[in-house]
Amino acid sequence: EVQLVESGGGFVQPGGSLRLSCAASGFTFSSYAMTWVRQAPGKGLEWVSTITASGSSTFYADSVKGRFTISRDNSKNTLYLQMNSLRVEDTAVYYCAKDKGLVFQNWHFDLWGRGTLVTVSS
Amino acid sequence: QSVLTQPPSVSGAPGQRVTISCTGSSSNIGADYDVHWYQHLPGTAPKLLIYANSNRPSGVPDRFSGSKSGTSASLAITGLQADDEADYYCQSYDTSLTGWVFGGGTKLTVL
Repeated sequence: EVQLVESGGGFVQPGGSLRLSCAASGFTFSSYAMTWVRQAPGKGLEWVSTITASGSSTFYADSVKGRFTISRDNSKNTLYLQMNSLRVEDTAVYYCAKDKGLVFQNWHFDLWGRGTLVTVSS
Repeated sequence: QSVLTQPPSVSGAPGQRVTISCTGSSSNIGADYDVHWYQHLPGTAPKLLIYANSNRPSGVPDRFSGSKSGTSASLAITGLQADDEADYYCQSYDTSLTGWVFGGGTKLTVL
């Protein structure tokens, strides 16, 4: 079955760290760029970070640049998001998504996971 | 404040047609970047509805259609059904932000 399953969410205090994982199955993971998108409570979707298929290039939203690190292990079909220096405003459901498209600016997300909740609070 | 502007809500009766607008600028939609649309029910995985302005992935009914002109795009839904009730998001790329951007989302209510 083609699917993405996120894990690693939880409760963390401000300034803390958390690592999210996204396990992919049913497609050739190493052939596709991958993305993290989040949704804060009562808010819309927000792009967080993208990594190319090989992992050689990464992209970040300004809101997380310098604090979050996206990575992947193509041998394990797994995407990661290392989140450091977490803030209250990082509280959200984090989704991983598979990218598709010929030109990177026109990438869209054709497969999504169900998300994992990250709560940052004191 | 989202870079792509959508109406917060739209509504329609079963069987009717509704449209959802997505207004951008010269650094995103107007820069000739594609617009994509997603359907999202809270607690579930978002679903790709329209890609590259007007293309439907396999399995998406032809009741859903997309268009783009200038700095704006639209999603049209005809023959409204109760299970169309969801949040809808447009998405594109912004060259000023050097990243992908979403609209603020539109909640569709089927009356």
